[in-house]
Amino acid sequence: NAGVMQNPRHLVRRRGQEARLRCSPMKGHSHVYWYRQLPEEGLKFMVYLQKENIIDESGMPKERFSAEFPKEGPSILRIQQVVRGDSAAYFCASSLQGDYGYTFGSGTRLTVV
Amino acid sequence: KQEVTQIPAALSVPEGENLVLNCSFTDSAIYNLQWFRQDPGKGLTSLLLIQSSQREQTSGRLNASLDKSSGRSTLYIAASQPGDSATYLCAVMKTSGSRLTFGEGTQLTVNP
Repeated sequence: NAGVMQNPRHLVRRRGQEARLRCSPMKGHSHVYWYRQLPEEGLKFMVYLQKENIIDESGMPKERFSAEFPKEGPSILRIQQVVRGDSAAYFCASSLQGDYGYTFGSGTRLTVV
Repeated sequence: KQEVTQIPAALSVPEGENLVLNCSFTDSAIYNLQWFRQDPGKGLTSLLLIQSSQREQTSGRLNASLDKSSGRSTLYIAASQPGDSATYLCAVMKTSGSRLTFGEGTQLTVNP
């Protein structure tokens, strides 16, 4: 029973490029959450999705960031026209339902050069 | 707006010592509270989950307590080992399935 799978583990992008981060939740989990951890800071909520629905995107920056969780395939966090301030670790978590807590992936570490 | 605070920010202890990590939250209307461990450059590992109706949870050398009315939780680690060295994070959930609000973490170092 594989855990939450995130890829790539490390991603380097030049300023202005697009970054695509992927997350496959645990088998049977239909709730997916994305969090960002900036250097020397705590984890901050970004977005909560269920299949084909965005439930809460109140933590997402208004521009350049988008997320989806299609009927088939992994959840994708997309960052367009990356800037140096986007450099961070991005974590995905999944849950069967809130009662059982979250399981986190190992994260994608994005470096913008 | 929920705020979660963890004290101390860093802690260094000799091997074998029992220790307590503290977590406080400003809004006592929570659904559950979860303690995580994060190793450098790694993801988060769930340690203990306490539902709002529970007072404590135990797993091995770890014991977490919850006092919802006062907005506090503690993580007790017995007989600490060097392998316990990591950052410990406390997070609260307001309603079932909603976001987690994290504290800044306590960085623990257990010296051999």
